[in-house]
Amino acid sequence: AQSVTQLGSHVSVSEGALVLLRCNYSSSVPPYLFWYVQYPNQGLQLLLKYTSAATLVKGINGFEAEFKKSETSFHLTKPSAHMSDAAEYFCAVSADNQGGKLIFGQGTELSVKP
Amino acid sequence: DTAVSQTPKYLVTQMGNDKSIKCEQNLGHDTMYWYKQDSKKFLKIMFSYNNKELIINETVPNRFSPKSPDKAHLNLHINSLELGDSAVYFCASSQAGGSTEAFFGQGTRLTVV
Repeated sequence: AQSVTQLGSHVSVSEGALVLLRCNYSSSVPPYLFWYVQYPNQGLQLLLKYTSAATLVKGINGFEAEFKKSETSFHLTKPSAHMSDAAEYFCAVSADNQGGKLIFGQGTELSVKP
Repeated sequence: DTAVSQTPKYLVTQMGNDKSIKCEQNLGHDTMYWYKQDSKKFLKIMFSYNNKELIINETVPNRFSPKSPDKAHLNLHINSLELGDSAVYFCASSQAGGSTEAFFGQGTRLTVV
């Protein structure tokens, strides 16, 4: 069985500050991990994914995430927040025996203050 | 060119009606999905099809019936709509395999009144 927990349903940062969105997963098989972003009234767009290659994954828009097996974590970071980063962020887990099914966390709404 | 397109974008209907949402992908993917996003923004898979064959059915009420006429299309038909069906429904597609990225449509916001 797989599950994802995102700590913090809402995170607020100032423009230029570090962004840290937390994601912990549970999986009985080797996981694949994803971060998606959803802007208002839009679909989900992939930011980055971990598929058992490098544990530090770089994505679009300056985001990156590090897979830490010992901590079962896949936290998303960005060194300097922009106003345009304000959105809902979803962490998701999948595996080879899941038919491509994504199991999502509850989502974290990121607000960026000027 | 939109990769995954859904129609309609908004759907307002009365309880008891039957409605359909259409989805098409032009990415050449083998697998298509329907996800439901509830009012708290929680996303959960409903169905997946691989090459027109139903692969995943996540204990969705029988009132929901997906249909895949070919691997580029996956439609969702809902009978006897209930208030609790109000949500945003997302179609997605991917290549087969758990490590591949899913591409999502813009969503259909269904409101049952």
